[in-house]
Amino acid sequence: RKEVEQDPGPFNVPEGATVAFNCTYSNSASQSFFWYRQDCRKEPKLLMSVYSSGNEDGRFTAQLNRASQYISLLIRDSKLSDSATYLCVVNIRGNKLVFGAGTILRVKS
Amino acid sequence: ETGVTQSPTHLIKTRGQQVTLRCSSQSGHNTVSWYQQALGQGPQFIFQYYREEENGRGNFPPRFSGLQFPNYSSELNVNALELDDSALYLCASSQGPSGGTYGELFFGEGSRLTVL
Repeated sequence: RKEVEQDPGPFNVPEGATVAFNCTYSNSASQSFFWYRQDCRKEPKLLMSVYSSGNEDGRFTAQLNRASQYISLLIRDSKLSDSATYLCVVNIRGNKLVFGAGTILRVKS
Repeated sequence: ETGVTQSPTHLIKTRGQQVTLRCSSQSGHNTVSWYQQALGQGPQFIFQYYREEENGRGNFPPRFSGLQFPNYSSELNVNALELDDSALYLCASSQGPSGGTYGELFFGEGSRLTVL
């Protein structure tokens, strides 16, 4: 079983749509959680950290469910510029981030 | 831009050869982590260097080795290259092994290695 699993997609959505991604992780000792964004042939960049209480940054909302070991990312009012691969990332023991394979989002006009 | 620079950006090698990839970390960062990203996959942790010492290693064979220098720049060396080593190699710097207050890694643009 992979340590971090994501639906690879692609999710094809129209501009203005709301889209949600889920991610599950296998190690219950995981300490911290993140969503990174990676544009085609570019490096990953931190989108947002994920806190137990849930957190929001503009159109983006992240939630963590420790009991079920899953993380979610909700994007409201999708923009063309949101098209990218979204990587779910788990920090297991402080110095090693484990990345999921990513979920591809394509926003179309 | 993150301030993390990697070189070379692209290179082609043949099986059995050796390669050295270089990374300059962001100013003020003392930790460098290396990741391998195969096509269609997420980055896989190779190892981390903190204050010139290896500080954790992923499931990669010993032919993957590294160094960190006093200025915190780093090298990744891969010996006896195999076809499956073809990938994007990403260097990430951070302020401390855990990625600082927010756990953030700052990635360079990567070195794309093709092994023929």
